Amino acid sequence: NAGVTQTPKFQVLKTGQSMTLQCAQDMNHEYMSWYRQDPGMGLRLIHYSVGAGITDQGEVPNGYNVSRSTTEDFPLRLLSAAPSQTSVYFCASSRLAHQETQYFGPGTRLLVL
Amino acid sequence: SQQGEEDPQALSIQEGENATMNCSYKTSINNLQWYRQNSGRGLVHLILIRSNEREKHSGRLRVTLDTSKKSSSLLITASRAADTASYFCATKFSGNTPLVFGKGTRLSVIA
Repeated sequence: NAGVTQTPKFQVLKTGQSMTLQCAQDMNHEYMSWYRQDPGMGLRLIHYSVGAGITDQGEVPNGYNVSRSTTEDFPLRLLSAAPSQTSVYFCASSRLAHQETQYFGPGTRLLVL
Repeated sequence: SQQGEEDPQALSIQEGENATMNCSYKTSINNLQWYRQNSGRGLVHLILIRSNEREKHSGRLRVTLDTSKKSSSLLITASRAADTASYFCATKFSGNTPLVFGKGTRLSVIA
């Protein structure tokens, strides 16, 4: 199993540009989530999904959209990038029933100029 | 915020020494988990302790949970240089609510 994969690994955007961060998992996990990690702030939840077709907001959802059309994929969209969205983004997945172990992807480092 | 708080923020020890990190939280939990993050990498799950458990062991890791004080500690015994990483606690509340991560403790083990 590949686990949780994320693409791209690194991206530079200009303010106002849009892009999609990809996340996929091959463990048939119902639960998927997106976090951003900033220095001194730990991990903050952006959006999460408890299954295909179901998404919900986390702590810092503004400026981001998500969709969950399949169990495997959970893309994160930045509609109009801002410098405040410069961060490292992590996708994670787990079994829904217990959410006992979250499996994390390797992260996407985003720089917005 | 329901975010857990780790203490200390940073810890530097010599190889072979024990490292203790603490986590405090504010509301009742279903379980508490500890994760490790090596520099530039994703988080890796270390251990989970449920609200009805007081202590768990996994190799050189020992986790305790005191629900009356709403706190947990992670002890790494006989530390190694490879233990150098950031360590995060994550709290699981009831239902389908997501895990909430703390800000982490940065551990440096000096050879």
